Amino acid sequence: GAGVSQSPRYKVAKRGQDVALRCDPISGHVSLFWYQQALGQGPEFLTYFQNEAQLDKSGLPSDRFFAERPEGSVSTLKIQRTQQEDSAVYLCASSPPPRLAATGELFFGEGSRLTVL
Amino acid sequence: AQRVTQPEKLLSVFKGAPVELKCNYSYSGSPELFWYVQYSRQRLQLLLRHISRESIKGFTADLNKGETSFHLKKPFAQEEDSAMYYCALPFGNEKLTFGTGTRLTIIP
Repeated sequence: GAGVSQSPRYKVAKRGQDVALRCDPISGHVSLFWYQQALGQGPEFLTYFQNEAQLDKSGLPSDRFFAERPEGSVSTLKIQRTQQEDSAVYLCASSPPPRLAATGELFFGEGSRLTVL
Repeated sequence: AQRVTQPEKLLSVFKGAPVELKCNYSYSGSPELFWYVQYSRQRLQLLLRHISRESIKGFTADLNKGETSFHLKKPFAQEEDSAMYYCALPFGNEKLTFGTGTRLTIIP
């Protein structure tokens, strides 16, 4: 496909359950980002990869959140022992070189909507 | 700390009327700012960037450093402009911080 692909699109989890969200970026895109978007809010930065290296994870809200991109392509965001406050849309975005700050263009997926009961 | 503020959550404008979506920022230095848009049932996408000085779909945005604003404007609203609009500011080398968004509704 031509765009960023995320799965599942919708996930309902019981409180305490572990979830895994997958992101398949645009082929050749070096940078990959995860954002969390709560209802009525803008996207909030979670973490960032350049190829397989996780260069910034300052936005991850707790140690229950973990992200990986082992081969520099597909990425997985894992949330352990989900809580109700984790309910949100999780957006993945990718961007090619050069530096994002120079172009500002992130290519977003459709998001994974997580509902924790 | 870098911050982007969009004071209006909702904005309704009649078709053909001018549109202005407000964005204020706090940033030390010369900022690069962006507007992203999300149309109904579509993904979030870049609308325009300050550095390009471009007009996209009739929209323009001027950086006003004195007022620390980057308002998005269009002289004549069209129904297809109805969407969520987010102002965004880079922080660090690679991240974007987004405002809370404004839902624009064009009234036919």
